[in-house]
Amino acid sequence: GQQVMQIPQYQHVQEGEDFTTYCNSSTTLSNIQWYKQRPGGHPVFLIQLVKSGEVKKQKRLTFQFGEAKKNSSLHITATQTTDVGTYFCGDPTGTASKLTFGTGTRLQVTL
Amino acid sequence: DAGITQSPRHKVTETGTPVTLRCHQTENHRYMYWYRQDPGHGLRLIHYSYGVKDTDKGEVSDGYSVSRSKTEDFLLTLESATSSQTSVYFCATRTDTDSPLHFGNGTRLTVT
Repeated sequence: GQQVMQIPQYQHVQEGEDFTTYCNSSTTLSNIQWYKQRPGGHPVFLIQLVKSGEVKKQKRLTFQFGEAKKNSSLHITATQTTDVGTYFCGDPTGTASKLTFGTGTRLQVTL
Repeated sequence: DAGITQSPRHKVTETGTPVTLRCHQTENHRYMYWYRQDPGHGLRLIHYSYGVKDTDKGEVSDGYSVSRSKTEDFLLTLESATSSQTSVYFCATRTDTDSPLHFGNGTRLTVT
């Protein structure tokens, strides 16, 4: 079955440093969705990418979908303490209406 | 998200007892999902529903059953709780199969 892996599992950065998490799939993805979960909270939808090679930006966050639609990345420029949380990627179509999530990357930001 | 309520928010129960978790939505979304979240495992799908009385298994469905008698309610039942079912359970909904998921606030279940 489809497997979605994220790397790294955990990263600790100083505030102001950049951060990137990568999402890699064993099969071609239809679309990719990204979610953020703050500590103690629930996942919240960030963005969806649909087209091969697509790049979208949300303020300091840049999302990219690979040309082969088998990988995606989330890059945060100049991290802030408000960026702390776990970032998940997922294929919204999957098999029979399921959404398969990646394992998540936990980001810790310290001053 | 607004419109999705999970109950209870916290529960402690003993091994072998039945437990039912409830997810109520006011969004009229067709699809509803139950996930469990454990350290090191991310979000894993337990069961999902694609309409009233239409449900199917996810990747970790053993020991769980679900029911959906109304659009707005999706129940998750642990027939006989085990310590391995200690987890945080999230309900999620969406309108169609490529739209974003909206999550409830979660239920923290501890089985002693």
